[in-house]
Amino acid sequence: AAGVIQSPRHLIKEKRETATLKCYPIPRHDTVYWYQQGPGQDPQFLISFYEKMQSDKGSIPDRFSAQQFSDYHSELNMSSLELGDSALYFCASSLSGTGGTDTQYFGPGTRLTVL
Amino acid sequence: GEDVEQSLFLSVREGDSSVINCTYTDSSSTYLYWYKQEPGAGLQLLTYIFSNMDMKQDQRLTVLLNKKDKHLSLRIADTQTGDSAIYFCAERGSSASKIIFGSGTRLSIRP
Repeated sequence: AAGVIQSPRHLIKEKRETATLKCYPIPRHDTVYWYQQGPGQDPQFLISFYEKMQSDKGSIPDRFSAQQFSDYHSELNMSSLELGDSALYFCASSLSGTGGTDTQYFGPGTRLTVL
Repeated sequence: GEDVEQSLFLSVREGDSSVINCTYTDSSSTYLYWYKQEPGAGLQLLTYIFSNMDMKQDQRLTVLLNKKDKHLSLRIADTQTGDSAIYFCAERGSSASKIIFGSGTRLSIRP
């Protein structure tokens, strides 16, 4: 079965640079979520989109922005990168209304390293 | 506020059962999840339980939910070396789409 696709899988940037992470949800899924997992930490929710509209917002820095496109893929844009942004970034997707579960399936993650 | 707590480590002998425990604080939680994360890998959904259930079984996995005590457990029968991973308990409230994760329990298997 098709899973959530994230690209790139690994990204190395320098401080103050920008980065764009991409997420392609499971086909027919209409909701995407972004999470950040620091080293040895649990995943922390950043932001989510349903039908291209922001549906929930967590601890996402103002330097980050995200959007969901008409084909339901999503991009997380990160500017003025800081060393502390080094983390594993997960995207998850779900289909709303499937018996109300909205079960989130996670992608493999993008490992961002800021030097 | 919302909080999910787990013990950080568990070590079991191969072939024994593993029981990973979790407590949560949000009484409005509708769904509770168990995710597995192997080293350097993504989050694999193992199972989930709706808050009006008290037990769910799926092959070697048994989830028990005590809603009164806000306690969730995951039992893995006949634990194998391939079960070595970090197991995250997570919950989702009725009014939010986000998932709140616990700190994860690192399960190690002794021969």
